[in-house]
Parts: sequence; C-alpha cells; structure tokens
Amino acid sequence: AQRVTQPEKLLSVFKGAPVELKCNYSYSGSPELFWYVQYSRQRLQLLLRHISRESIKGFTADLNKGETSFHLKKPFAQEEDSAMYYCALGGSNYKLTFGKGTLLTVNP
Amino acid sequence: DVKVTQSSRYLVKRTGEKVFLECVQDMDHENMFWYRQDPGLGLRLIYFSYDVKMKEKGDIPEGYSVSREKKERFSLILESASTNQTSMYLCASNSPGRGIAKNIQYFGAGTRLSVL
Repeated sequence: AQRVTQPEKLLSVFKGAPVELKCNYSYSGSPELFWYVQYSRQRLQLLLRHISRESIKGFTADLNKGETSFHLKKPFAQEEDSAMYYCALGGSNYKLTFGKGTLLTVNP
Repeated sequence: DVKVTQSSRYLVKRTGEKVFLECVQDMDHENMFWYRQDPGLGLRLIYFSYDVKMKEKGDIPEGYSVSREKKERFSLILESASTNQTSMYLCASNSPGRGIAKNIQYFGAGTRLSVL
C-alpha cells in the first residue's frame, strides 16, 4: 500500500533560517514524488516534482530511495514561504496519495 | 494555463439535504478527482473518474456519489448531508499521458461546505 508520512504538523522558523520539511514514503514500485503548496486563500498548487530536479522559489527536494525520503529544503526561509505544504506520492494509477501536511510559519 | 473551476466557494446546507458540488476543467483532461481537506488529516480522495461515465471509489466514498456525463464536468453528490461532511472539498484534474505534465494534478479553489 502507498503511504506518505509528514511527521511535523507545524514548523516555525525565523526569516533567513534554513528550513527542512520532512517526507517519508512507502511504495513497492518506482515512486513519483511531488511537493504541493497552499498559500493562504489560494488554491493548492504544484511546487516541485522529483523527476524535474529543479529549484522552485529556492526550494529543492532530493529523492533518497534508500531512506525512502523526499525532504523539502530551503537554505534561507522568507516570510512569503509561510504556507501549508503537502508531500504526495504518485503510483501507477494516476492517483496521488497525500501526506497530512506541514504548516510552515516563517517569523520576521 | 489549466483552469479548474468549482461552482461555489462557500455553501451552507441543512442536515438531510441533497447537495451538489460542481467542477469544470478546460484542459480536456481525462482524469478528475474529488478530495476533502480537513485540518490534521490532509487530503483524502473521495472518488475519481478516468473517463466519461467511469468512476472509481477513493479512500472515503461513504456518503458520497459522483457523476461524470461530460468530459469537462465532474460532480460530487451528497445524497443526504450530515454534519460530519462539513469540510473543504477540492476538485482536481490531470492527464496521464501529457509528457512533462504527466500526473501533475491541477486543483480548483475549493468549496467550503458547512452542514448545519
């Protein structure tokens, strides 16, 4: 069965500090992993996906198959990064399994 | 730009009412999804549809049904609304075979439903 675990419900950092949002997954096949973000009063939107291997808004995420992790990182958090972040796992049937989300607050 | 439009941002209904939530997408996507979003529980899949008139149950289908008569429209139906169905409902769509955009889901703005 597919499962996504985001161990932190809430994460609070100060502006300029590094931030890491954790995501672990369980999947027997070849995983496809995503990070989605929802800013206040906005729709849920894709932040990045592992196959793109790109940096979006300063965020990066590396798939570690050995540790079954896909942690989201940013070296210097900004106030506008405050949002709800969801890790999602795509399987072979076009569906996504979402984690429960981490609410990131970046304090001034 | 993909547009997924949910007909209502806010709805207030009474217990026992039949409720329709509508979703339309304009990108000719084959797949459409209904989720509910609750604090601390994340997004949970209610139903999804991979073609017109085709549907499959998600993780929490009880108390819900769906209808997809046209490719662009996917409706979520609460046959007899109950207070425990008070939630934010999100619609999404994607296409399984569109190159770089494959499997990316695009979301509507959500419908916040309150059942009194």
